[in-house]
Amino acid sequence: GNSVTQMEGPVTLSEEAFLTINCTYTATGYPSLFWYVQYPGEGLQLLLKATKADDKGSNKGFEATYRKETTSFHLEKGSVQVSDSAVYFCALSDLYGGSQGNLIFGKGTKLSVKP
Amino acid sequence: KAGVTQTPRYLIKTRGQQVTLSCSPISGHRSVSWYQQTPGQGLQFLFEYFSETQRNKGNFPGRFSGRQFSNSRSEMNVSTLELGDSALYLCASSFTGTDMNTEAFFGQGTRLTVV
Repeated sequence: GNSVTQMEGPVTLSEEAFLTINCTYTATGYPSLFWYVQYPGEGLQLLLKATKADDKGSNKGFEATYRKETTSFHLEKGSVQVSDSAVYFCALSDLYGGSQGNLIFGKGTKLSVKP
Repeated sequence: KAGVTQTPRYLIKTRGQQVTLSCSPISGHRSVSWYQQTPGQGLQFLFEYFSETQRNKGNFPGRFSGRQFSNSRSEMNVSTLELGDSALYLCASSFTGTDMNTEAFFGQGTRLTVV
């Protein structure tokens, strides 16, 4: 079945450091890929998405490129801030051409950024 | 505009009891999905409703059920509660659930504790 694997956390970085959170997936067909972020005490927010191979999603300085050849969607940011501290989830959907009605999530990676 | 509202925020129930959780989607959204979040299993899809019909269902036992009303508000019910049902239950709404140009918005969740 479809699944998402992302790197185990927690990840602790100093402010302005470079961030990479690895995500790989297994899916039949052509899934759409997402990164969600969950701040403490809040629900999930969509951070970025990509709907086809070689698409790059970007938002708030974060980027991820849909790599079909390596079945990956790694999240990167060039310079993290304390306010980026949160849990990050990689997810895929392969229904209805990319429906967000049924998402398959990775286990999440907790990021802590120290000043 | 108001976001996705889940009630109650916190709930404590005893094993064997049943519980009903409520989700009010963003005005105009017709798709509502439910997810269970636990430390061990992460985020798992429960079911999705669209226009009062269950459109998709995850791999959960029949004790978990849901419904959607004509105003798109949704409820999920868990009968014969087990300790393992303790989790954060998240609801997400989107306009149709099938359009990649619309985003799924998550509520803050209901924290259910079964004792």
